[in-house]
Amino acid sequence: RKEVEQDPGPFNVPEGATVAFNCTYSNSASQSFFWYRQDCRKEPKLLMSVYSSGNEDGRFTAQLNRASQYISLLIRDSKLSDSATYLCVVDSWGKLQFGAGTQVVVTP
Amino acid sequence: SAVISQKPSRDICQRGTSLTIQCQVDSQVTMMFWYRQQPGQSLTLIATANQGSEATYESGFVIDKFPISRPNLTFSTLTVSNMSPEDSSIYLCSAETGTGLYEQYFGPGTRLTVT
Repeated sequence: RKEVEQDPGPFNVPEGATVAFNCTYSNSASQSFFWYRQDCRKEPKLLMSVYSSGNEDGRFTAQLNRASQYISLLIRDSKLSDSATYLCVVDSWGKLQFGAGTQVVVTP
Repeated sequence: SAVISQKPSRDICQRGTSLTIQCQVDSQVTMMFWYRQQPGQSLTLIATANQGSEATYESGFVIDKFPISRPNLTFSTLTVSNMSPEDSSIYLCSAETGTGLYEQYFGPGTRLTVT
């Protein structure tokens, strides 16, 4: 079983709509959780860190459910520029484990 | 966040040769890392580059194939040795800048093609 699993998508989202997707992790001892955004042929960029039950930053909301070992990312009022692959990243004994990413495509 | 640069940004190399990738951070950092990302896949940690000591390699990666240097707190190099087409990948360095626990920031990557 992979340490971090994500739905690869793609999630096709009309501009202005809301999209949400989850990520599950296997190490119950993990303490730090992140969402990174990766554009095609670019490096991952940190979008949000999730250290407690959740975090909100503008149109982006991340939630952590430790009991079920998943984190979610919700994007409100989607913009065309939100089209990207979103990587779920979880610390596992001090090392970051990366999910394979969820592709989001925002359409006009 | 730190600004991280990598050189070269891309290269095409012949099998059997070696390539050294440089990673420069604009501030002193304790932890630097080297990752590989193959097409359509996520990131795989190659090794942690420790200043003043040998790098710590992950399972499946060995020092003879991927020697790493970390001469100071702002710089590291990764060498891909005796390359084969299977080494074609994007190589990324990252650094923990201390702004958040385990938060890492990435360089732009080096796109390597081995022919």
